[in-house]
Amino acid sequence: QVQLKESGPGLVQPSETLSLTCTVSGFSLTSYSVSWVRQPSGKGPEWMGRMWYDGDTAYNSALKSRLSISRDTSKNQVFLKMNSLQTDDTGTYYCTREAYGGYGWFAYWGQGTLVTVSS
Amino acid sequence: DTVLTQSPALAVSPGERVSISCRASEGVNSYMHWYQQKPGQQPKLLIYKASNLASGVPARFSGSGSGTDFTLTIDPVEADDTATYFCQQSWNDPYTFGAGTKLELK
Repeated sequence: QVQLKESGPGLVQPSETLSLTCTVSGFSLTSYSVSWVRQPSGKGPEWMGRMWYDGDTAYNSALKSRLSISRDTSKNQVFLKMNSLQTDDTGTYYCTREAYGGYGWFAYWGQGTLVTVSS
Repeated sequence: DTVLTQSPALAVSPGERVSISCRASEGVNSYMHWYQQKPGQQPKLLIYKASNLASGVPARFSGSGSGTDFTLTIDPVEADDTATYFCQQSWNDPYTFGAGTKLELK
């Protein structure tokens, strides 16, 4: 079955870089795109960006200058790197997969990983 | 960006019908989707493309609307439906989510 699992540090210092890994199973990264979505506590989610099945990327313009998404298909992993973190970047970070390619509704979600930005 | 506006909270009694609204600041065609999120859990897809029931979702849930105004309906509401419901559009870039409607049962 389709599974996604996020991993990474729970605590990041302000101004530092966040690095997260999404490990997937049950599907191929060369057939489906994977998106990162984050959610501050008590607020609505925010779509951050996507790794397309063909290796291309797309980013939310609000985050584009700080965000990079990459992948290693041999390890079934998608990576997120975001620099210059501030306290309002605190929240739960999810990796997600659409049911079908490119239509934009997220049928599969990882359990999420909580990231706290604090000194 | 497309702003999605939802009412913050609703309270209903079990067995009743409830409608949760979502208004988009610009047209999104039929590309509006609905999620349910319970505390400590990831969002769960309920409805995609305005009115299509996601796999495994009870038929008590339904969606309607197009353009800028959309509605998620639960009929009848059950105790297990206590959750926050989010709308999300994928017609305009970037994808955006509403702030959520918290559904409480009386």
